[in-house]
Amino acid sequence: GESVGLHLPTLSVQEGDNSIINCAYSNSASDYFIWYKQESGKGPQFIIDIRSNMDKRQGQRVTVLLNKTVKHLSLQIAATQPGDSAVYFCAESYNNNDMRFGAGTRLTVKP
Amino acid sequence: SQTIHQWPATLVQPVGSPLSLECTVEGTSNPNLYWYRQAAGRGLQLLFYSVGIGQISSEVPQNLSASRPQDRQFILSSKKLLLSDSGFYLCAWRTGSGVYEQYFGPGTRLTVT
Repeated sequence: GESVGLHLPTLSVQEGDNSIINCAYSNSASDYFIWYKQESGKGPQFIIDIRSNMDKRQGQRVTVLLNKTVKHLSLQIAATQPGDSAVYFCAESYNNNDMRFGAGTRLTVKP
Repeated sequence: SQTIHQWPATLVQPVGSPLSLECTVEGTSNPNLYWYRQAAGRGLQLLFYSVGIGQISSEVPQNLSASRPQDRQFILSSKKLLLSDSGFYLCAWRTGSGVYEQYFGPGTRLTVT
């Protein structure tokens, strides 16, 4: 995909602040979305998901917002901690087809 | 519970040498299997996926190939490595239907010198 050749955008936040990571998806028919967290040297790990019949879903310290009108997904992390430093990927899927991943955002938490 | 294994964890190979990376999944049957490559500081590039034994779909034509000799085994190969093959290789699986989430292995870091 076109995201593969791009350097990752970065977001730097102070410890304790809230973080918002954004993702624009491509297929208006996508009906399932996931946020993954990838720590350095490891495989991506599931954080939270949301289906297209919802516009908000909350987990522990994380909230995902879905705006289907503008095909936008965001991940909010409350009270960001140093352990949250990682690359975050969004992924979309349509009708049980395989997932397509966004470019990723590198989150750095400053102590 | 399901687990996914990849080996080796790291590999340094000279240009022109062959490659074989292995991925195995435990605790599930007939999974969909995937190989991704991730260049340093970049996103995930889907290389191959398989919906069953002997069934391989290629997303990006290149000097890599994949095989699935057993239901829960997925192998990534090359006859002659290029410098541009360096990267972090991730294997992933998901159930054949119903659940979209892909579960990733720990990855193999390949450096071609």
